[in-house]
This record gives sequence, structure tokens and C-alpha cells, in this order.
Amino acid sequence: SQQGEEDPQALSIQEGENATMNCSYKTSINNLQWYRQNSGRGLVHLILIRSNEREKHSGRLRVTLDTSKKSSSLLITASRAADTASYFCATHDSWGKLQFGAGTQVVVTP
Amino acid sequence: DAMVIQNPRYQVTQFGKPVTLSCSQTLNHNVMYWYQQKSSQAPKLLFHYYDKDFNNEADTPDNFQSRRPNTSFCFLDIRSPGLGDAAMYLCATSFPWVAGKNNEQFFGPGTRLTVL
Repeated sequence: SQQGEEDPQALSIQEGENATMNCSYKTSINNLQWYRQNSGRGLVHLILIRSNEREKHSGRLRVTLDTSKKSSSLLITASRAADTASYFCATHDSWGKLQFGAGTQVVVTP
Repeated sequence: DAMVIQNPRYQVTQFGKPVTLSCSQTLNHNVMYWYQQKSSQAPKLLFHYYDKDFNNEADTPDNFQSRRPNTSFCFLDIRSPGLGDAAMYLCATSFPWVAGKNNEQFFGPGTRLTVL
């Protein structure tokens, strides 16, 4: 069964704006990861945040994790047309498996 | 560059006709995964190999089988494809999970399977 639920399902913004998407999960995790998928392609790992971390940055990406609420958010700052993609959160359990959320489809218009 | 390669990128098969999808990796990762992803849905893990140890997900249909002849290659066999098996099939690799270490997975570009 799906572990993560993502919100919103779709997001449309203009270049230069920030994009925020949220992920909620149900069970305890070792870490939470965000992946990006361009249309018809494989997934690309963006960032990993461990269960004992609260915030992490990588370039224009900022991820937060609230284990008490079982939720995470991904912020993309100063978005570009090339950021158009689907973004998936994935929780990593103690067995080493990833369970993916349904994804947020982001469209950035020039 | 080290990578995960999937062939073919697009595969068309007929209802009930066996099909094999292939994945190879140059990352020398111990673990290889097969996911099924239907349109606008999350990738769903079918099974994974830790070296030669095969691990099937409980809800993976018997119609799906896998082979890993060596570290670099892994195959997904669909014995009798049905219309519901049309999907993107993603191969991924990683190092084994170790507490405190990063455990990202590296994905291939996927094979899109069409069943006629």
C-alpha cells in the first residue's frame, strides 16, 4: 500500500515563483527522500533527509521533516521552466525499501 | 559514466505473449529493484535482489518473474501479459541499506510496455 500521500496533486506556477509540495506518511521511517521524474523517464534522486533531521538544503531545494506530524515538505525556490516534472516523496523503512507517494505534477511556465 | 540502462525503451507485445525486459548497471550495486508505474501513479515495487537473494513483494502477481544472472544484469519476465500490465517498468539499483548511510536509489530511464 502507498505510504506517502502528496499534496497538491498538481501545481502550476510561473518562472521565478516558489513551488511548495507536501508529503504525509503513516509509519515510522529511517529517512525520507524526494525524487523527480521528467515525463516518460526514470526517477532522479534529489535529496534525502534522515529521521533525526528537521531541515536540509541543496541548491534551490529546501526540505523539511516533522516526524511528530509524519510530514515533509519540498520547496523549490526561484523556479525555472526546466523544473517542470513530477516530484515524488519516498519513505525508507527499516527493511531498506522505498515506498513512494502518488506525486505532485509541477508545471512551470515561462 | 556509471549508470542504469534499460532495454528496450519501448516494448509492444500481444496479449498473452511472453515478454522480457532487461536492465544493466555499471554502478556495481548489490541491490537491484523492479518497479511498475502506471500512468499518474506512484512506482510500485515488484521485487528486488540483494546480490543473488530474490525478494518478492507479497502482492506481486505470479505472472511476473525475475532473473539476475550476475551483478550487472537483471531481467523482468512477464509470462502472460494482460492489458492491465501495460505500464512503465523501472529498474533501480542501490547499495544495501546501512543505518546512518545515504540509501538513494539510481533509476534507469524505464521501459514502456504496451499490450495489444
